[in-house]
Amino acid sequence: SQKIEQNSEALNIQEGKTATLTCNYTNYSPAYLQWYRQDPGRGPVFLLLIRENEKEKRKERLKVTFDTTLKQSLFHITASQPADSATYLCALLRTGANNLFFGTGTRLTVIP
Amino acid sequence: NAGVMQNPRHLVRRRGQEARLRCSPMKGHSHVYWYRQLPEEGLKFMVYLQKENIIDESGMPKERFSAEFPKEGPSILRIQQVVRGDSAAYFCASSPLSDRQNTEAFFGQGTRLTVV
Repeated sequence: SQKIEQNSEALNIQEGKTATLTCNYTNYSPAYLQWYRQDPGRGPVFLLLIRENEKEKRKERLKVTFDTTLKQSLFHITASQPADSATYLCALLRTGANNLFFGTGTRLTVIP
Repeated sequence: NAGVMQNPRHLVRRRGQEARLRCSPMKGHSHVYWYRQLPEEGLKFMVYLQKENIIDESGMPKERFSAEFPKEGPSILRIQQVVRGDSAAYFCASSPLSDRQNTEAFFGQGTRLTVV
């Protein structure tokens, strides 16, 4: 069956360090992958989109990589800040599908 | 340009009652998606609609659940004869193009349904 796994439920890092979150998928041929941020009691907010033919995307302190051979995406936040504390969700659009499939998310806490 | 508006934000229903969740997409968006999120779980796709059409309802339970997106007015997700297992956060997302066309989805703040 199709599966999207995010590396851990929770990740704690020190302020200023780089946070790295992992998204692994099986049995997919994704057209593209997205990362969202979700704060408690709020809806997800789009961060970045990376297509199957792209290796890397950057936006300010955020970087996403996409390795279709390993079936993995890495999401990096450099110079992390306490305000980056949230749950981060990866989502795939499977080729031929109409909708996004979401992982369960990783809860990131940046400690001052 | 207001974002995706969902109401109510919180809804409490007794078992057996009906729940109606409303979603007004962003202006200019004609594609609406409904997702359900259970505690400590990811978002699960339920249904994808365009104006007056259900495009994909493969994620929606066959019984008690229905959705519509009329020509005028918000999209409605209706749950009849609610049970405790329906308690969850229901999110609506809209986009100007379908997901296939590589665009982000804009999410509302969700409706938290509690069945007592």
